[in-house]
Amino acid sequence: GDSVTQTEGPVTLSEGTSLTVNCSYETKQYPTLFWYVQYPGEGPQLLFKVPKANEKGSNRGFEATYNKEATSFHLQKASVQESDSAVYYCALRSGGSNYKLTFGKGTLLTVTP
Amino acid sequence: EAAVTQSPRSKVAVTGGKVTLSCHQTNNHDYMYWYRQDTGHGLRLIHYSYVADSTEKGDIPDGYKASRPSQENFSLILELASLSQTAVYFCASSDVSGFGEQYFGPGTRLTVL
Repeated sequence: GDSVTQTEGPVTLSEGTSLTVNCSYETKQYPTLFWYVQYPGEGPQLLFKVPKANEKGSNRGFEATYNKEATSFHLQKASVQESDSAVYYCALRSGGSNYKLTFGKGTLLTVTP
Repeated sequence: EAAVTQSPRSKVAVTGGKVTLSCHQTNNHDYMYWYRQDTGHGLRLIHYSYVADSTEKGDIPDGYKASRPSQENFSLILELASLSQTAVYFCASSDVSGFGEQYFGPGTRLTVL
């Protein structure tokens, strides 16, 4: 079956430093890749998606490039803010009609002032 | 904007009792999902549905039943609640015509004593 592996947390950074959360995936079908973010006390929400290989997705200063050869989709941000403190989930939807998403285990990011 | 609501937002149940968690969406989406969230496990799919009056098993269905009486409503039922079912439960919906991105509710925190 499909699987997603991402950076184990928690990750603590100082404001203004850079972030990388690694994500790798396994699937036998063509994937659509997503990053979700979950703020404290809320449900996960879509950060951005990338449906095509070697394309980049971005939102709120975060970005990730879908690398088909490396089966990776790492999340990056050049300069994190305290408001970025949240749990980040990598997810994939593989080809097919059931629209299931497979999520990674999540990475808790805490940004200190 | 898409909206998924859940009730109750928190619940304390006794071991062996019956628990029903409710979800309502106003997105006009075909797909609805139930996940549980536990530290160290991320989001795991319990049941999902793509049409009213039909449900499908997800990755961890044991101990749970689901009911989809209408397009808008999706319930998760714990017939005999157990301590191991203490978790946060999220409902989500998605549109068959999109890329499969899911819209989540705010979650229900269930504590089984």
